[in-house]
Amino acid sequence: GAVVSQHPSWVICKSGTSVKIECRSLDFQATTMFWYRQFPKQSLMLMATSNEGSKATYEQGVEKDKFLINHASLTLSTLTVTSAHPEDSSFYICSARHLGKSGEQYFGPGTRLTVT
Amino acid sequence: GQQLNQSPQSMFIQEGEDVSMNCTSSSIFNTWLWYKQEPGEGPVLLIALYKAGELTSNGRLTAQFGITRKDSFLNISASIPSDVGIYFCAGQLRDDKIIFGKGTRLHILP
Repeated sequence: GAVVSQHPSWVICKSGTSVKIECRSLDFQATTMFWYRQFPKQSLMLMATSNEGSKATYEQGVEKDKFLINHASLTLSTLTVTSAHPEDSSFYICSARHLGKSGEQYFGPGTRLTVT
Repeated sequence: GQQLNQSPQSMFIQEGEDVSMNCTSSSIFNTWLWYKQEPGEGPVLLIALYKAGELTSNGRLTAQFGITRKDSFLNISASIPSDVGIYFCAGQLRDDKIIFGKGTRLHILP
């Protein structure tokens, strides 16, 4: 149990286009999901907290208009990278906070974004 | 903001050796977590620590939460080839945000 999936697992897009990444909790409900970004050989950096039914909260230095987050249901959060630039190329990972397990979080497998 | 100082950055060991890595922070965390990440995958939770001073084992892995709630270590005994990967310490805050250390890359020499 407690599986989190991400789709797509990898994506290549051209500069200036937008890309949507999905994060789903498959067998549990999650009112809160978190989005991280990981550059090569670096750590995971928290970008934003996604709250079901309300606006996401962003960490300092993360542009909310560039990284649009929608958490429309208890099992799905989406991250849209708008007007992508090559420097947005990274590994994007989500985690989902289990509604029924004292705040335990489970991580997705990540999405590799390459912007050309 | 909160920062975790993790060391060493990388380790090269022989199969069968024991491994030790640690993390320190200037901030107090509610929960301390240790993850392993393999290339192209998300992090997988190894051990979670909830109480100051807590010592917890998971197979060949042992971790302890420091008394001050500002540090932790992870030990791996009798390393095997599948232990290769990046190990991250992480602290969880009251609002459930998780802050990651920079990671320790474990290499096992043939």
